[in-house]
Amino acid sequence: GNSVTQMEGPVTLSEEAFLTINCTYTATGYPSLFWYVQYPGEGLQLLLKATKADDKGSNKGFEATYRKETTSFHLEKGSVQVSDSAVYFCALSDPTGGGADGLTFGKGTHLIIQP
Amino acid sequence: NAGVTQTPKFQVLKTGQSMTLQCAQDMNHEYMSWYRQDPGMGLRLIHYSVGAGITDQGEVPNGYNVSRSTTEDFPLRLLSAAPSQTSVYFCASSPVLGTGELFFGEGSRLTVL
Repeated sequence: GNSVTQMEGPVTLSEEAFLTINCTYTATGYPSLFWYVQYPGEGLQLLLKATKADDKGSNKGFEATYRKETTSFHLEKGSVQVSDSAVYFCALSDPTGGGADGLTFGKGTHLIIQP
Repeated sequence: NAGVTQTPKFQVLKTGQSMTLQCAQDMNHEYMSWYRQDPGMGLRLIHYSVGAGITDQGEVPNGYNVSRSTTEDFPLRLLSAAPSQTSVYFCASSPVLGTGELFFGEGSRLTVL
């Protein structure tokens, strides 16, 4: 079956540090890959996505590249801000995985940015 | 811009009580779904609907009921609450089936004593 694995954290960084949150996946088909972000007290929001191998998704200074050879979709940002503190979820969408949208979420990574 | 609206935001129940979590969206999205979020578990799909009058089970449907009489509304019913249903519940909608691009509500935190 499909699965997504990511570090759970918490990951604590200082402001302006470089961020990497690792995400690897297992899928039976050819999935699309997503990063969702959940700010405190809010629902999840789509941060970025990539629909095929070697695609790079980017938004708000974050980026991730779909690597089929390593089955990975690591999230990176060059200089984090306190406002980036949130929980980040890696997810895949595989229509063959069931649930209509076929979304499978990782467990989430709690990111804390200190001033 | 209302988007996806969930009520109530917080609820405390006693074991065996029933209640309904409401979800409404004003974006004319055909696809709606309910997830529960538990610590260390990520999000798990409870039920989903691909349009008015059509519902189906997700990964963890036991103890929950849904209906979809209109495009806008997708309520989640707990028939006889159990402590294992203590969780944060999220409703989500999507304009296009199968894209994985979901719009989430702000969540409903439910505690069952």
